[in-house]
Amino acid sequence: EAGVAQSPRYKIIEKRQSVAFWCNPISGHATLYWYQQILGQGPKLLIQFQNNGVVDDSQLPKDRFSAERLKGVDSTLKIQPAKLEDSAVYLCASSFNPYTQYFGPGTRLTVL
Amino acid sequence: LAKTTQPISMDSYEGQEVNITCSHNNIATNDYITWYQQFPSQGPRFIIQGYKTKVTNEVASLFIPADRKSSTLSLPRVSLSDTAVYYCLVGDAGSQGNLIFGKGTKLSVKP
Repeated sequence: EAGVAQSPRYKIIEKRQSVAFWCNPISGHATLYWYQQILGQGPKLLIQFQNNGVVDDSQLPKDRFSAERLKGVDSTLKIQPAKLEDSAVYLCASSFNPYTQYFGPGTRLTVL
Repeated sequence: LAKTTQPISMDSYEGQEVNITCSHNNIATNDYITWYQQFPSQGPRFIIQGYKTKVTNEVASLFIPADRKSSTLSLPRVSLSDTAVYYCLVGDAGSQGNLIFGKGTKLSVKP
């Protein structure tokens, strides 16, 4: 069974630039999550999709972050414009039940 | 959602049994306890989940006392490859499953 795929694996940008991350969940998983993990901390949920609808985006900084999940499969997370404090690993996860989430390898973003 | 407390770090040696305890005093009736493992440069990986008493799988055991205010993840005979961060999470699947990760416990296994 293929796992959660994410790209790119690494990204370096300058502040105020834009960046986008892509996630392909495990086939058949209706729920998709985006997390932000700052060095030394646990992952923090940014947004949760159920199929192509948003279930929870309470911790998503909506002035600069946006996410979509077209057709209830792939998802993209965008940051525009990026700030220094956005440097982190962005993790995508998918699940068929909330407790057993399958995580991708993450995208490490460095904002200079 | 119940808040969890676990040690920041633990050290062990190869071949030893490691027990990591997590406190969750405000656990609700519908909450399950789940543990994840995270290696450097990887996403977290599900290890084990339980509701009460004891759960065992090929990787670990989870002990939950009757009051469910704490739980213990037990890793038998650890090896160097078990060096990772271990997260304890508590949540209710019926609430759309919003899991909150704390800082976790960094386990270092030495030869």
